[in-house]
Parts: sequence; structure tokens; C-alpha cells
Amino acid sequence: EPEVTQTPSHQVTQMGQEVILRCVPISNHLYFYWYRQILGQKVEFLVSFYNNEISEKSEIFDDQFSVERPDGSNFTLKIRSTKLEDSAMYFCASSVGDRGTDTQYFGPGTRLTVL
Amino acid sequence: AQKVTQAQTEISVVEKEDVTLDCVYETRDTTYYLFWYKQPPSGELVFLIRRNSFDEQNEISGRYSWNFQKSTSSFNFTITASQVVDSAVYFCALSDFGAGNMLTFGGGTRLMVKP
Repeated sequence: EPEVTQTPSHQVTQMGQEVILRCVPISNHLYFYWYRQILGQKVEFLVSFYNNEISEKSEIFDDQFSVERPDGSNFTLKIRSTKLEDSAMYFCASSVGDRGTDTQYFGPGTRLTVL
Repeated sequence: AQKVTQAQTEISVVEKEDVTLDCVYETRDTTYYLFWYKQPPSGELVFLIRRNSFDEQNEISGRYSWNFQKSTSSFNFTITASQVVDSAVYFCALSDFGAGNMLTFGGGTRLMVKP
């Protein structure tokens, strides 16, 4: 069964450093997402991406965040200058379509620890 | 604005007991989709079910059943004859046309099933 994959599973970085989290969505999916879950809290939407453009973004997704689909398979989230409060689990998801008509399937997550 | 409330933060049951997880949502849209995801201790988000706002039929899948009541804006999830492997955090989520394909998650309910 196709699945979303994410690398690395755990990333430790120093405050102020740049990190890139990588995701490979399910191959026939057209919509891609990033969500964040701070430890013990709920899952929060960051951004959705379609046709090489951001479709929606939340207030959390400020100028220090960016997303990219550098090739036909990868979808990346870059945090330019990490802060302590960026420590969280980051989930990538993908869906065939949008507008809630299609289920978003999530990857296993990348745990980001900012020291 | 959309909102999902899971009032039960933590539930503990003994194996073989039935348990119901509550979910109440708010949305201005008449067309929307509701989801349940399971987050086991390993951390990934596993899709369980999607329902659209036009279909109020209850659904059963094995030991799982879902009760969607538009009149009370609720989408409750029942596990019959719970098992230790059901121990996880369960998230209810909402997607409506006003918010693109963004999923709004509830705070989650941690279910502990004891042997």
C-alpha cells in the first residue's frame, strides 16, 4: 500500500540553524501539506501546496518557513533560523484532491529538537 | 471559523469494555467533512474514517462505529470490546470549503486500555 515517507525521523539542531525536512508524498497525489504537533498538544495546520504554489497557510507559517517541491517526488519544509519553540513533530500529508473531498494521508513525522 | 472540541482529554478502560470518544465541531459551512485519526505510541497519524456533512448514516467497521449527528454537531466514535492495542490518542478533525483543505484538529483524547 502506498504511503507517505518522511526523513529524517529525528533532527536535532542548534537554535538559529536552518533545517530542511523532507517528504515523499504518495505518487498520484496532487496536494501536499505540512502540519505541526508540539509535544502533548493538538496537530496544527501549517501550509498546503498545489501545482507548485502555496494554496493556504496558517498564521504559524511565517517568513521563516518555506516549502518547495524541488523535483517530481520530494516535498520539503525549510525553517530558516530555528527557534526553541519550533521543537515539535512535523507531519507531511498528501491527498489526491482538495476541498475536503479527499482524505489526507500522513507520513510518520519528523521530530525536530531545537537546542 | 471552524473549531473541533474533544472534551475528554484522557479515558482509561479495562480490556473488553466499550468506550465512546466524543467530538463536537463548529463550522459555518453547510458542506464539510469530518475525520478521525489514531495516533499510537509510535507517533504516526493513522486515518480511520471520513464522513461528509450530507451523510448522517452511522458507520460500523469491525469493532469501530461512528455516530454522526448534525443536529448536535457531534461525530462520536465508539470502540466495542476494547483491546490493549487500541491504546492511543484519537483525534477528530474537520475540513470545510471555507478553509480550503485545511484540517482543523481537536485536542485529542488519550485512550488507555488496561489488560
